[in-house]
Amino acid sequence: EDQVTQSPEALRLQEGESSSLNCSYTVSGLRGLFWYRQDPGKGPEFLFTLYSAGEEKEKERLKATLTKKESFLHITAPKPEDSATYLCAVRGGSNYKLTFGKGTLLTVNP
Amino acid sequence: DVKVTQSSRYLVKRTGEKVFLECVQDMDHENMFWYRQDPGLGLRLIYFSYDVKMKEKGDIPEGYSVSREKKERFSLILESASTNQTSMYLCASSPVGGGTEAFFGQGTRLTVV
Repeated sequence: EDQVTQSPEALRLQEGESSSLNCSYTVSGLRGLFWYRQDPGKGPEFLFTLYSAGEEKEKERLKATLTKKESFLHITAPKPEDSATYLCAVRGGSNYKLTFGKGTLLTVNP
Repeated sequence: DVKVTQSSRYLVKRTGEKVFLECVQDMDHENMFWYRQDPGLGLRLIYFSYDVKMKEKGDIPEGYSVSREKKERFSLILESASTNQTSMYLCASSPVGGGTEAFFGQGTRLTVV
């Protein structure tokens, strides 16, 4: 069974203070690892897909990286508008479904 | 842009009612999903469909059924609503292929009283 664990559960940063969120996973035959952003009361918004170890993707202040056991979402010089819950999900080789972690609630204070 | 639209943002229903949640996607995606999201439990898959009239149970299908009569529309049915089905319900769609991302609707906050 696919499993995803995200840490920390919550992270509070000052504006401009860079940090990283962790997503550890176990999956049989990784087809894709996905990062989403979710604002309160809304559906998850797709950010990145990573397919293989060593791959990196960037979007504005966010950079996602992937190893064989975990993924990191690096946030460089965050702004208050980056405050949200960040979700990690995996799809394994024999499944249609996405298995999600419980998310990291990021708060960026001005 | 991919658009997944859920018919209601907020719903309040009574215990025992039959409840329909509707979802429509406009990108001709083969796969459609229904998740529920609860604090501390994350997103859990209820049902998914990989083609018209095809469906498979997810992790928590009890008390739910689904219908997919047209490719763009996927309905979640609560046969007899109960208070433990109070939750945020999220619909998603994705193209066929294991490495493809899923796109979510805005969610339906259902309260069963």
